[in-house]
Amino acid sequence: DIVLTQSPDSLAVSLGERATVNCRSSQTLLYSSNHRSCLAWYQQKPGQPPKLLIYWASTRESGVPDRFSGGGSGTDFTLTVSSLQAEDVAVYYCQQYCSTPYTFGQGTKLEI
Amino acid sequence: EVQLVESGGGVVKPGGSLRLSCAASGFTFGNAWMTWVRQAPGKGLKWVGRIKSIIDGGTTDYAAAVEGRFAISRDDSQNTLYLEMNSLKTEDTGVYYCTHDNWGSDHWGQGVLVTVSS
Repeated sequence: DIVLTQSPDSLAVSLGERATVNCRSSQTLLYSSNHRSCLAWYQQKPGQPPKLLIYWASTRESGVPDRFSGGGSGTDFTLTVSSLQAEDVAVYYCQQYCSTPYTFGQGTKLEI
Repeated sequence: EVQLVESGGGVVKPGGSLRLSCAASGFTFGNAWMTWVRQAPGKGLKWVGRIKSIIDGGTTDYAAAVEGRFAISRDDSQNTLYLEMNSLKTEDTGVYYCTHDNWGSDHWGQGVLVTVSS
């Protein structure tokens, strides 16, 4: 199975500052059909289901603010919040969908 | 508007069984690949399994932790996804989410709580 390891486990950032979450994969995440990285990022707020933010490592889901961006390739990926807002406090997860079993990182708690 | 509504959760004893349902609307369910994801209390997300659309074979894949005990099925005539859970263990306790699988899960239900306890 592909193992995803996120770092850090928790992160405190001031309002308006940049936050970066890392996700490292135990295998290269490359979808052979389109040569794109099969990695997604989710945001989960307390008491709510997760929300898809980013797919194919860097494509923003419709309606997601442009302060959220995804990057990376191969085995190393990042989620960046360019200017942290109060409503961004949440737990963030990466997930690979290259091969089953799809797996998630352990989550990163982002706080102010 | 896409809606996914889970039901069927509850309290069950270890070794017992439960069937979850997920009623889907707002998209062409028959063309969709669907997944189940669970979350133990205070813990992270765990992928449970997936079912492809019938046109793509209708096959299922499962996480090792549930293989042989859980079964995912679908009724496209009713736009409903199912998760049959047998031989339940205390570690199966958690919120179970039904999701629409589209290069990542782009739509999620609100989740249903399953508690396995004696």
